[in-house]
Formats: sequence, structure tokens, C-alpha cells
Amino acid sequence: GAGVSQSPSNKVTEKGKDVELRCDPISGHTALYWYRQSLGQGLEFLIYFQGNSAPDKSGLPSDRFSAERTGGSVSTLTIQRTQQEDSAVYLCASTLVSGNSYEQYFGPGTRLTVT
Amino acid sequence: KNEVEQSPQNLTAQEGEFITINCSYSVGISALHWLQQHPGGGIVSLFMLSSGKKKHGRLIATINIQEKHSSLHITASHPRDSAVYICAVRSLNTGNQFYFGTGTSLTVIP
Repeated sequence: GAGVSQSPSNKVTEKGKDVELRCDPISGHTALYWYRQSLGQGLEFLIYFQGNSAPDKSGLPSDRFSAERTGGSVSTLTIQRTQQEDSAVYLCASTLVSGNSYEQYFGPGTRLTVT
Repeated sequence: KNEVEQSPQNLTAQEGEFITINCSYSVGISALHWLQQHPGGGIVSLFMLSSGKKKHGRLIATINIQEKHSSLHITASHPRDSAVYICAVRSLNTGNQFYFGTGTSLTVIP
């Protein structure tokens, strides 16, 4: 079946502009993570969605970042008033949760460059 | 302060060598994951461990909960194993949140 898709694959934007990144997870996966990978840095947790529960937003670095997951499927990550330090690869992971098992399937990522 | 530390940061091996990558963590965890990131950037989940040992093909992952340590072993290494290997732990206290190591870059030379 289809894997996780993300769009756009690359985004170059000017400082101060808003951007919206999209993730299409695997059908039937109730959980979804957003991560950020800055150049030379490890992966950083941003936000977690599980079913209809309130999302865990504890990893969002500032109030310029927000995310939604509509209908338990597609998710969008929005960054307002982008800054140069927002430049990174943004990854989403469609996650199959079964008991204590978390099987994560990563999307290809969106490379964001803020100029 | 890094909740997850990996070693070595970089590793070069000859084809056929046995490889070990280490991961130590400082938080209570519900599970530990090993991920593989290929040069093109794609990330694949290799293992999820909460205890003991798992094996998949030439890959073996072990975890010692008491010592807060995990190892990823690759037997009979091959150039196609060249990738960045990332250790990630799911925090027991925060439930959903993952902490990641900075990765071990492995190059296997033919």
C-alpha cells in the first residue's frame, strides 16, 4: 500500500512569511508525529496526535508553530512569521499503535529553507 | 543536556566486519527504537525494544534496562549498510515524547 507522503518536498521562503507543510499518513494509523531535523542536529519531537485525543504539543518550539490533523488523517504543520532558525527538514511519522508497540513509518520530509 | 548519547559518532568499517553501535540514555523509558537514515534522507524504523534482544537478518539489537544501555550490532557488514543509525527512546514520564541521539554515521568500504 501507499506509504507516508509529505508535501512540498522542498520549500524556500522569505523570513517573516507563513508556511504550511502537509503530511498524508498511512490509512488506518491512528497516531502521527511531527519531528524536525536541523542541519547537524538530531531529530527533535514537535507534536503528537493520537486518535481524537488532544494533541501533545509539548515539543513545539514557539507559539509560531501549530499543527492540525483533520478527520484523523491528513495533518498540516503551520509556521507563522518564519525565522532563519526554522530552516530544517520537517518529518512526519505515521504510527501504528498496538498495546505498547509503536511502529513508526517516516515520510520523506519537507526541507524548509528560510532566507 | 542530552537524554540520549550514541557512540561512536562516525564509524568506518571494511566489508564483512562486525559492527557495534552503542546508545546510553538517562531517562526512564517505555521503549527504545533504532532507526536507519539513508544518505537520501529516508528514515526506516529497524527495531523497537523494551527488553532483551531482537534479531532481523544481519541486525541484532539488545537492551539492558538496568544499565540504561542498548547496542545495535551488524554482522557481516556490507556497503549497503552505510547509513546513519539513530537511537530513540520513548519517555516513560511524558508518554508520547521521543528523545533522539544525534546518530552514528556508518560507512562500510568494499
